[in-house]
Amino acid sequence: GEEVAQTPKHLVRGEGQKAKLYCAPIKGHSYVFWYQQVLKNEFKFLISFQNENVFDETGMPKERFSAKCLPNSPCSLEIQATKLEDSAVYFCASSQFSDWSLTSNQPQHFGDGTRLSIL
Amino acid sequence: SQQGEEDPQALSIQEGENATMNCSYKTSINNLQWYRQNSGRGLVHLILIRSNEREKHSGRLRVTLDTSKKSSSLLITASRAADTASYFCATDAFGNEKLTFGTGTRLTIIP
Repeated sequence: GEEVAQTPKHLVRGEGQKAKLYCAPIKGHSYVFWYQQVLKNEFKFLISFQNENVFDETGMPKERFSAKCLPNSPCSLEIQATKLEDSAVYFCASSQFSDWSLTSNQPQHFGDGTRLSIL
Repeated sequence: SQQGEEDPQALSIQEGENATMNCSYKTSINNLQWYRQNSGRGLVHLILIRSNEREKHSGRLRVTLDTSKKSSSLLITASRAADTASYFCATDAFGNEKLTFGTGTRLTIIP
């Protein structure tokens, strides 16, 4: 598709439950990124993929967060044993392949996010 | 933690006036981008400026970049009510496309 599609729009979970979020990147885009936005301003990078391979996972809380981008499936972000502090809007973005020899990166295209509320 | 700070945090102007917002960052960058976020929506890419560029225009938008001061500014000319949104700068480093965001400026255009 021509837009990054994220589902669900809203997700409510009790503390300790599992949450799973989905993202369909734009067709032809090689990179997928997940960001967490807390309190309507601060964006935190979580993880990026180049096709189905993890590229950078330095932002991921290792113990409870996991993510996948498998061929012919939406990408997913899963949070085990959710905590109140996981309440946030989670954004997925995709971008085209960058030829780094040209020292120019491609803009990222964002979905509308999934609002996760942990009660 | 956030790479950058944006200034001001909030800005209200009359329709038709120009709006300027500033962004500072801390480490060396490859590109700096500006995004707009309408309430309840994702980020919309506005403009990208490379580290070897000093100024760039796109329609009513003008972006400057001063790498010696590690700062950038976004100017929106002849503002419209539809420009009401939050604006974020974001930087990336060579070889890694992950974005590091500023804290955002909330812009309100008064009709």
